[in-house]
Amino acid sequence: QSALTQPRSVSGSPGQSVAISCTGTSSDVGDYNYVSWYQQHPGKAPKLMIYEVNKRPSGVPDRFSGSKSGNTASLTISGLQAEDEADYYCCSSAGTYTSVFGSGTKVTVL
Amino acid sequence: QVQVVESGGGVVQPGGSQRLSCTMSGFTFSSYGMHWVRQAPGKGLEWVTFIFYDGSNKYYVDSVKGRFTIFRDNSKNTVYLQMNSLRVEDTAVYYCARGSGAAATALDYWGQGILVTVSS
Repeated sequence: QSALTQPRSVSGSPGQSVAISCTGTSSDVGDYNYVSWYQQHPGKAPKLMIYEVNKRPSGVPDRFSGSKSGNTASLTISGLQAEDEADYYCCSSAGTYTSVFGSGTKVTVL
Repeated sequence: QVQVVESGGGVVQPGGSQRLSCTMSGFTFSSYGMHWVRQAPGKGLEWVTFIFYDGSNKYYVDSVKGRFTIFRDNSKNTVYLQMNSLRVEDTAVYYCARGSGAAATALDYWGQGILVTVSS
């Protein structure tokens, strides 16, 4: 149950696109289409942004999209906005009803 | 709308016990599995435990197995986390979260978080 690997930080200017990778193994990301992504602003609870690899909950802007290839999942933010500056975490199933989070990525809007 | 209230945090000595509560309303609580997730100060999120909608099955991260117990009372719309034999490294903000979607893997509603500090 080791944490999934994410880049420590990514940055982009307003309007640009950024992508965050989430690398696991064949026992978690590679084995399940149950990858979700969470946005967390400082001092706040996480917010679900993407679930089941590429599904968006109602209310989440379509600027946020998810994908997966092999053992790596990705979150793409298109048309970056100031309010997107936050920490982002991926999460994957890691076995029957167990989960593992990624190490977290800080997104900075320049 | 969904409302969540967590309670039970505070300071506890190493080896001690603490029980957290999480009450959710605004939906049929007994139809959803529930998770606890924690975040040590300045660190990332860590999944801790999950319980089925009816309490019949429970799952834990290895580091808390045998020390933590998740249980629920659907008549009170509440899920609990009983933490025993607490260690300094259990110090964290603990969040409860509703599990939705396939295999309850989409954590769509979260509590505000409650701080548990394990210190002598």
